[in-house]
Amino acid sequence: KAGVTQTPRYLIKTRGQQVTLSCSPISGHRSVSWYQQTPGQGLQFLFEYFSETQRNKGNFPGRFSGRQFSNSRSEMNVSTLELGDSALYLCASSLGTSDSYEQYFGPGTRLTVT
Amino acid sequence: AQKVTQAQTEISVVEKEDVTLDCVYETRDTTYYLFWYKQPPSGELVFLIRRNSFDEQNEISGRYSWNFQKSTSSFNFTITASQVVDSAVYFCALSEALSLEGNNDMRFGAGTRLTVKP
Repeated sequence: KAGVTQTPRYLIKTRGQQVTLSCSPISGHRSVSWYQQTPGQGLQFLFEYFSETQRNKGNFPGRFSGRQFSNSRSEMNVSTLELGDSALYLCASSLGTSDSYEQYFGPGTRLTVT
Repeated sequence: AQKVTQAQTEISVVEKEDVTLDCVYETRDTTYYLFWYKQPPSGELVFLIRRNSFDEQNEISGRYSWNFQKSTSSFNFTITASQVVDSAVYFCALSEALSLEGNNDMRFGAGTRLTVKP
């Protein structure tokens, strides 16, 4: 069974630009969660999508948005990039039910904003 | 508000030593979930365990064991007979059960970097 894949793995953008990151979950998983990891703030939960609906959301500004497609693939978008958005963005998939909580993480997308 | 504290920033041990990683949490909810994750140098987070607030039974999985104590709001993780491959950053996390499904706003500790020397 293929694991969680994230594309691209590395990205360099300029302040003010926007970026879209992609996550393909494990086949059969309906939940996709996104996390931001930075040296200063650590790991922070961004949001979770389940069956194409945002089910939970962390405390991030509206510049951070996402969506999920019918095949459970998810994209995360960050608009008007700031230097502080430089981070490792991790995606995790799970079956998404209360008795199937184990998350499987992808390798991450390292975003650098200059 | 929920908070997770991992006071140990870095720990270094010699192979075969036992090591305990501390995790203290704060929450006002009576129903919550606690997690441990491992992040090896490759960067991918690896799920280790989830424990719900109603289950204080300790758990052992091979060389890993977890001690959950609600009285002290702690969920400590012990590696017995450590190995070089255990070198990684370990994160403790807390999720309040706003609903029983899905990943609610999980709060992670700052992580403990464990180095196991041969």
